[in-house]
Amino acid sequence: AQSVAQPEDQVNVAEGNPLTVKCTYSVSGNPYLFWYVQYPNRGLQFLLKYITGDNLVKGSYGFEAEFNKSQTSFHLKKPSALVSDSALYFCAVRDAEWGKLQFGAGTQVVVTP
Amino acid sequence: DAGVTQSPTHLIKTRGQQVTLRCSPKSGHDTVSWYQQALGQGPQFIFQYYEEEERQRGNFPDRFSGHQFPNYSSELNVNALLLGDSALYLCASSLDPGPGTEAFFGQGTRLTVV
Repeated sequence: AQSVAQPEDQVNVAEGNPLTVKCTYSVSGNPYLFWYVQYPNRGLQFLLKYITGDNLVKGSYGFEAEFNKSQTSFHLKKPSALVSDSALYFCAVRDAEWGKLQFGAGTQVVVTP
Repeated sequence: DAGVTQSPTHLIKTRGQQVTLRCSPKSGHDTVSWYQQALGQGPQFIFQYYEEEERQRGNFPDRFSGHQFPNYSSELNVNALLLGDSALYLCASSLDPGPGTEAFFGQGTRLTVV
């Protein structure tokens, strides 16, 4: 069975400071990992994914994520947060059995001016 | 490119009624999945359609059914609605059903059951 944990319900950061949103996963076999962002009353927007290769993946809007196999983590990062980054962030995992995306509970990011 | 489009955007139904939600995938995408997102929670996988067949299903009762048409658009049907079915229903499409292929989501249909 696959699962995702986002240990923080909310992350608060000042504009211009680094932003990190944590995610750990459990999956049998190789993981396929994704980050999505959701703005109020909107669907989910794809940010980035890890399939294989470099442990640091770069995505949209200046976001990047670091895959750590030994810690089964896939933390989302942004070097300098913007107020417009305030949103709900979801980590998701698939195993090799294609189809189902298993989402975490989400982390609310609040960036203050 | 219109992206993934869902209709209607909002819907209010009475307990026991039936509802049909519709989804048009992003251009060039042949795989459609449906998710239910309850308030304050992450999306939960309902099922996935590929080549007009249900390929995988999550832990949802048979009251939830779907269909994919030859043009890859899809419908989600829910029978005998319960208050607990109130949620945001999200449709996602992808280029193929492979595990490494990202899904693109529509804006969702907000279903309220009263």
